[in-house]
Amino acid sequence: KAGVTQTPRYLIKTRGQQVTLSCSPISGHRSVSWYQQTPGQGLQFLFEYFSETQRNKGNFPGRFSGRQFSNSRSEMNVSTLELGDSALYLCASRSGLAGADTQYFGPGTRLTVL
Amino acid sequence: AQSVTQLGSHVSVSEGALVLLRCNYSSSVPPYLFWYVQYPNQGLQLLLKYTTGATLVKGINGFEAEFKKSETSFHLTKPSAHMSDAAEYFCAVSEEAAGNKLTFGGGTRVLVKP
Repeated sequence: KAGVTQTPRYLIKTRGQQVTLSCSPISGHRSVSWYQQTPGQGLQFLFEYFSETQRNKGNFPGRFSGRQFSNSRSEMNVSTLELGDSALYLCASRSGLAGADTQYFGPGTRLTVL
Repeated sequence: AQSVTQLGSHVSVSEGALVLLRCNYSSSVPPYLFWYVQYPNQGLQLLLKYTTGATLVKGINGFEAEFKKSETSFHLTKPSAHMSDAAEYFCAVSEEAAGNKLTFGGGTRVLVKP
């Protein structure tokens, strides 16, 4: 089975712009989660989608949004970019929503905001 | 709120020596516990997880971890370090009360000396 894929792998944007990141989960997985990784804050949960519905949300401003399509692919959008949004954005998929379900991570999208 | 503490942000070990990475969690109920490894410019890869049953869990690449409820700990060990073990390691917990999202520790970067 192919793993989780994320596009693009690298992005450079300027402050005030918006950006959309894409994630394709492992075939058959219906849950997609997004995490932000920065040197200062570490790995932080953004949100999780399951069957096109947001099931859980972390403590991020409304500039961060996401959606999931009927084929389980997910997109994450960040509007009005700030310097502090520079980070590695990781997507993870799992088959269900149980706590024991393993989350499988993609390689990430490295976003740099200038 | 659940939290995860990894003692030591950097650990240096000699090749062939024991690797011990410490992880403690705070949770009102025993959560599900995970160890992930991250190599440079890559996503997270699952090493092992504890859900229920046997408290000593064996994972990939010779790693194992022991869940100790009384100590709220889930330390990761490997008897003999290899150069390829140089990476960053993350402990994570998942708890139903938090929507089963992953909460990560700050990570421990392992350096292996020849």
